[in-house]
Amino acid sequence: EVQLVESGGGLVQPGRSLKLSCVASGFTFSNYGMNWIRQAPGKGLEWVAYISSGSSYIYYAETVKGRFTISRDNAKNTLYLQMTSLRSEDTALYYCARNGQPWDYWGQGVMVTVSS
Amino acid sequence: DIVMTQSPSSLAVSAGETVTINCKSSQSLFGSVRQKNYLAWYQQKPGQSPKLLIYLASTRESGVPDRFIGSGSGTDFTLTISSVQAEDLANYYCQQYYDTPWTFGGGTKLELK
Repeated sequence: EVQLVESGGGLVQPGRSLKLSCVASGFTFSNYGMNWIRQAPGKGLEWVAYISSGSSYIYYAETVKGRFTISRDNAKNTLYLQMTSLRSEDTALYYCARNGQPWDYWGQGVMVTVSS
Repeated sequence: DIVMTQSPSSLAVSAGETVTINCKSSQSLFGSVRQKNYLAWYQQKPGQSPKLLIYLASTRESGVPDRFIGSGSGTDFTLTISSVQAEDLANYYCQQYYDTPWTFGGGTKLELK
């Protein structure tokens, strides 16, 4: 069974940093690109970042480019999102999702709240 | 960026009705190499993560009931749910994966009348 489990969220002050993790199981993690997608409270879905299976290709939404860094450790079956210079508008539920056809499996999400 | 416009934003239905959700993209999602439309539909129930229903505009994901039908091409797409059941009450999102940044429609909330 495919499982994606996010962690690392919490309450953080504006301007600070936070690192999210997503542990994958039930499939060959190193064969798939992965994404982070977020959803602000009561709002729609926003794609944040993508990383290819071997980390050769990385893309970001303009709203996070230069502040967020996506990475992965295929030996640990883990996807990461390093978030710096956090803003109130980054407050959201962050999901990791497998790049299947297109995003066929999603985690349960981890909440990030940016507030003083 | 490709802008995805969904309509309506909300829809109140009775069980057994057929509903149609529309999604329009600001540019064509048709890829000439594979001759496919790069459009997906997701269902999100309250408190849950999104679930993939349809990809390549009309291909149903494994395990999705056949009452969910995706259609359309180019810039205009439709999700039809025939004989709506109570378990179908949710938010529905279209998404283009033709080009980055991958973008979603604003969502359609399906409610019980």
